[in-house]
Amino acid sequence: AQSVAQPEDQVNVAEGNPLTVKCTYSVSGNPYLFWYVQYPNRGLQFLLKYITGDNLVKGSYGFEAEFNKSQTSFHLKKPSALVSDSALYFCAALSSSNYQLIWGAGTKLIIKP
Amino acid sequence: EAGVAQSPRYKIIEKRQSVAFWCNPISGHATLYWYQQILGQGPKLLIQFQNNGVVDDSQLPKDRFSAERLKGVDSTLKIQPAKLEDSAVYLCASSLDTGDSPLHFGNGTRLTVT
Repeated sequence: AQSVAQPEDQVNVAEGNPLTVKCTYSVSGNPYLFWYVQYPNRGLQFLLKYITGDNLVKGSYGFEAEFNKSQTSFHLKKPSALVSDSALYFCAALSSSNYQLIWGAGTKLIIKP
Repeated sequence: EAGVAQSPRYKIIEKRQSVAFWCNPISGHATLYWYQQILGQGPKLLIQFQNNGVVDDSQLPKDRFSAERLKGVDSTLKIQPAKLEDSAVYLCASSLDTGDSPLHFGNGTRLTVT
């Protein structure tokens, strides 16, 4: 079965430190990978995507993600965290064979001043 | 560009009552999605439209949920009758197509069934 795993329910980081939110996937065919962010009482907002090409993808608000095919991972990263980055982050994978979008359960990111 | 519009933002109903949600996608977006998001979980796809045709409704509880997208633009999602477990946020999203285009989400409707 196709799946997306976000192994950490919550990640705590001090402001100014680098952050990583983990995601691994299992989908058929070549994956299209996405990160979305959800602020309280808001809908999800697209951050970045990987389709093909360079394994390091840059997105909105200084976020980037690294695609690792051998580890089937797509971890979200940011060199220096801001308190305003505190939110819920979702990883999603789209199978290029059936175009079904599979969502992770989300990771709550808390940035402490 | 204007974003995805949803209404109402909040709705409280009693079990066995009916409720309807409305969504107006971004202009030109062919694909429209309705998701159910229960607190602490990722979004669960209820139904996906491509223009005014249904692409995927495999997880829609068809005995109580229905959705339509007349004229391939705005859409309504209805629940009749509601159950306590339907309490959730209902998110509408749209995208240019069904490929790798990112989804654009509305702010959702928070439904509470008492």
